[in-house]
Amino acid sequence: DAGVTQSPTHLIKTRGQQVTLRCSPKSGHDTVSWYQQALGQGPQFIFQYYEEEERQRGNFPDRFSGHQYPNYSSELNVNALLLGDSALYLCASSLRLAGTDTQYFGPGTRLTVL
Amino acid sequence: GIQVEQSPPDLILQEGANSTLRCNFSDSVNNLQWFHQNPWGQLINLFYIPSGTKQNGRLSATTVATERYSLLYISSSQTTDSGVYFCAVASKLTGGGNKLTFGTGTQLKVEL
Repeated sequence: DAGVTQSPTHLIKTRGQQVTLRCSPKSGHDTVSWYQQALGQGPQFIFQYYEEEERQRGNFPDRFSGHQYPNYSSELNVNALLLGDSALYLCASSLRLAGTDTQYFGPGTRLTVL
Repeated sequence: GIQVEQSPPDLILQEGANSTLRCNFSDSVNNLQWFHQNPWGQLINLFYIPSGTKQNGRLSATTVATERYSLLYISSSQTTDSGVYFCAVASKLTGGGNKLTFGTGTQLKVEL
């Protein structure tokens, strides 16, 4: 039973560029959430996707957008990268109607913006 | 939004010692999870515990939802327990979603 997977593991970009991060949820899960973790801080919620729609959004600008595919996998896109976007990006999956809402996290993508 | 506070922020233990980590939250929750983040950044699920008590080996957790706090107990600590421990909650006020709000974490170091 595969857990949550993310790609790539590391990424280096320059300011102004655009980036796409990918996530495959745990087998049987239908909901994907994205989090940003800056160095020394706890993860911050970006947004959540269920049934291919954004259901909740945290306090992040429109430069952050996402998508969920029919197979439940998801992408996080960040446009016009800023130095402050350098962080560990974590994907979490869950089963919406499970009754427990336990979220399982992937290993993350470490993004460095130069 | 909901506020989550963890204490202590840092903890150094000798191997074999016991410890208690605390998580206070400001509103009613329908999800509370404890995680261990290893040095490579992986968040490892420890407990899903919006209320009650659970045990898993040397770890146990208790959440008193009416008083808005949760405790994580680590007994007979080992060097592999080192890392950052996060408490994360989802407020009942979010209306069916499961947005997790994380505390600032407790950095634990276990020494030989």
